[in-house]
Amino acid sequence: NAGVTQTPKFQVLKTGQSMTLQCAQDMNHNSMYWYRQDPGMGLRLIYYSASEGTTDKGEVPNGYNVSRLNKREFSLRLESAAPSQTSVYFCASSEATVLNNSPLHFGNGTRLTVT
Amino acid sequence: SQQGEEDPQALSIQEGENATMNCSYKTSINNLQWYRQNSGRGLVHLILIRSNEREKHSGRLRVTLDTSKKSSSLLITASRAADTASYFCATEGTYKYIFGTGTRLKVLA
Repeated sequence: NAGVTQTPKFQVLKTGQSMTLQCAQDMNHNSMYWYRQDPGMGLRLIYYSASEGTTDKGEVPNGYNVSRLNKREFSLRLESAAPSQTSVYFCASSEATVLNNSPLHFGNGTRLTVT
Repeated sequence: SQQGEEDPQALSIQEGENATMNCSYKTSINNLQWYRQNSGRGLVHLILIRSNEREKHSGRLRVTLDTSKKSSSLLITASRAADTASYFCATEGTYKYIFGTGTRLKVLA
């Protein structure tokens, strides 16, 4: 099993460019998440999807959009990249539905630099 | 806003020593989780402790939870160089898991 797979691993964008970060999980998990990790800030939730067909905003959703394409895939789109979006982006999944106690499984991240 | 906050921010110990890190949180929880992150990698789940549990063990890991003080501790016994990583606590809300800023542990060989 691959677990959670993120692509690409690295990306450099110019300000104003757009891109989509891809995430896929093969564990048949219900919930999927996008986090960003910045030095000294820990992980902050951008968007999450509790189940196929639903998405909700997290703590820092501005400048991002998401699509839960199917149960396996959850993509994150930057429509017009800004230097403040330079970060490491992690996708995660879990079995959790409603207040379920299940661990998160993380991908290895996408390191994005916006110049 | 952060729910869990780890303490200390950084910890350096010798191989074989025990490492203790703490997590404080603000609101009532159903469970608390601990994760490890090796440099350049994603987070890996270590242990989950439910609010009705006071202590849990997994190999060399021991986690305690004190809901009256809204705090948890992670003890790594007989540390190894391979334990060098950042450690995060996470508490849950509806569908969401909120992470602290982490403790950076360095184990010196």
